[in-house]
Amino acid sequence: GNSVTQMEGPVTLSEEAFLTINCTYTATGYPSLFWYVQYPGEGLQLLLKATKADDKGSNKGFEATYRKETTSFHLEKGSVQVSDSAVYFCALTGNTGKLIFGQGTTLQVKP
Amino acid sequence: GAGVSQTPSNKVTEKGKYVELRCDPISGHTALYWYRQSLGQGPEFLIYFQGTGAADDSGLPNDRFFAVRPEGSVSTLKIQRTERGDSAVYLCASSFLPAGGREDTQYFGPGTRLTVL
Repeated sequence: GNSVTQMEGPVTLSEEAFLTINCTYTATGYPSLFWYVQYPGEGLQLLLKATKADDKGSNKGFEATYRKETTSFHLEKGSVQVSDSAVYFCALTGNTGKLIFGQGTTLQVKP
Repeated sequence: GAGVSQTPSNKVTEKGKYVELRCDPISGHTALYWYRQSLGQGPEFLIYFQGTGAADDSGLPNDRFFAVRPEGSVSTLKIQRTERGDSAVYLCASSFLPAGGREDTQYFGPGTRLTVL
């Protein structure tokens, strides 16, 4: 069945460091791919998405490229801020519409 | 406009009791989803409604769990004979397009934290 695997956290970085959170998936067909973020005390928010191979999703300085050949959707940001501290979830939907999430990666950014 | 709302935000109950969790989707959204998030895990799908009907209930763990959406808007997740293992955050999401559309984006509510003592 469909599944998502994320790198384990927590990830601890200094402010302005480069961020990569790895995400790989297993899916039949052509899923849409998502990154959701959960800030402390808040609900899940869509960060970015990509709906077909080679698409790049971007938002708030974050980017992720849909790589079909490596079944990956790694999240990157060139310079993180303390306010980026949160839990990040990679997810996919197939043709059924339900989201399948990874286990989440906690990012902690220190000043 | 307003986002997805869920009530209550917190619910503490005793083992064996019945609970209802409510979700108000974004106005005009036809699709509604319930997920369950255990501590340290990603959300897991429970059930999906398109309009009033449950189009996919494959994620409901057992027959103690039931959900309704009688008028195609508000939904209620009902849990009978609660068990300690039911403790989790229950999330609701809604989307404008029918599930499976490539532009479908789900918007999440803040969740209901259920604690079964």
